[in-house]
Amino acid sequence: GAGVSQSPSNKVTEKGKDVELRCDPISGHTALYWYRQSLGQGLEFLIYFQGNSAPDKSGLPSDRFSAERTGGSVSTLTIQRTQQEDSAVYLCASSFTYSGEQFFGPGTRLTVL
Amino acid sequence: KQEVTQIPAALSVPEGENLVLNCSFTDSAIYNLQWFRQDPGKGLTSLLLIQSSQREQTSGRLNASLDKSSGRSTLYIAASQPGDSATYLCAGAGSNDYKLSFGAGTTVTVRA
Repeated sequence: GAGVSQSPSNKVTEKGKDVELRCDPISGHTALYWYRQSLGQGLEFLIYFQGNSAPDKSGLPSDRFSAERTGGSVSTLTIQRTQQEDSAVYLCASSFTYSGEQFFGPGTRLTVL
Repeated sequence: KQEVTQIPAALSVPEGENLVLNCSFTDSAIYNLQWFRQDPGKGLTSLLLIQSSQREQTSGRLNASLDKSSGRSTLYIAASQPGDSATYLCAGAGSNDYKLSFGAGTTVTVRA
């Protein structure tokens, strides 16, 4: 596709379950970013990938959060043992180069009951 | 850590009026500044990117300026239309990393 895509668009889960969120960046973009948008915290950075490596994981809120990227393309954000405070919109962005303009996907709305 | 502030938090104007949205940041060693638009329940649409060597960027009715010395960026939207109603976010990336630090946004309503 022409833009960044994310799936699922909505996810409702029970507290304690694990969830996986997927991001397909724009083809050819080497940099990929995950952000989280919540009512109380605004938009906050989670993790950044250059190719398949993640030089900056500083924004991950706890060790329940992990992410990987394979083939320099698709990325998966995994949240283990979800908590209610994990409820938010998870946004993925990609850019052609490390310093380039970032383009965002539509987001995944996660609701933890 | 880059702190980004946007004032005002909300703005309502009649159609046709020019819009001025302000963004301030704490770290003058900013590398990129990007303006986004977000419609309710949607993702972010990139409007303009200003790199550190630039002072402004223009796209159609939009013009954004960057003054690193004063830590400010301004987004101007000329001749506003009801379709411009949305939340506008500015975000800065530092010189040592390129993760974006976001402001809280300005919610704009253009009245027909």
